Amino acid sequence: ELKVEQNPLFLSMQEGKNYTIYCNYSTTSDRLYWYRQDPGKSLESLFVLLSNGAVKQEGRLMASLDTKARLSTLHITAAVHDLSATYFCAVERSRNTDKLIFGTGTRLQVFP
Amino acid sequence: DAGITQSPRHKVTETGTPVTLRCHQTENHRYMYWYRQDPGHGLRLIHYSYGVKDTDKGEVSDGYSVSRSKTEDFLLTLESATSSQTSVYFCASRTTAMNTEAFFGQGTRLTVV
Repeated sequence: ELKVEQNPLFLSMQEGKNYTIYCNYSTTSDRLYWYRQDPGKSLESLFVLLSNGAVKQEGRLMASLDTKARLSTLHITAAVHDLSATYFCAVERSRNTDKLIFGTGTRLQVFP
Repeated sequence: DAGITQSPRHKVTETGTPVTLRCHQTENHRYMYWYRQDPGHGLRLIHYSYGVKDTDKGEVSDGYSVSRSKTEDFLLTLESATSSQTSVYFCASRTTAMNTEAFFGQGTRLTVV
């Protein structure tokens, strides 16, 4: 059974600082997705990572995928308040491409 | 954004009653999913569909059933609602299973009293 774990679950950080959110998964996969959710809202797609070594960047966020380590990271550079949200990673198994399994989420708060 | 709508957006129901949530998409997406979101658990997959009349169980399927008679509609039924099914339910869809992100509806907040 595919398990997806994120850490930390909660992150409070000061504006201007850098930090990394980690996403570990339990079985072979080479497709990983990052989503953002604002409070009370739906989920919005951020990044699609489709191969080992894939790196995607958008503004202050950069995501990477290491399929051998079964690990993805979401790096935040010089955080700003607008990045405050909950971030989810999601993985699908390589041999069963139908199921999309989400991690528990990381709630990020950025304060002045 | 993909056209995915959920109805109702909010519902309060009594324990033991059946409840049906509807997900409607206008993108002709093949794959559709139902998740529930609870604090501390993230999103958990309930059921999903890989085509009309083709469905399969997810991580937390007990007490739920689904149906997909048309490409655009995916129904989630709580056969006999319990308080543990109080949650926010999200529907998602995507074109193919490979290499594409899923698009989400706005969610349905269900309270079972």
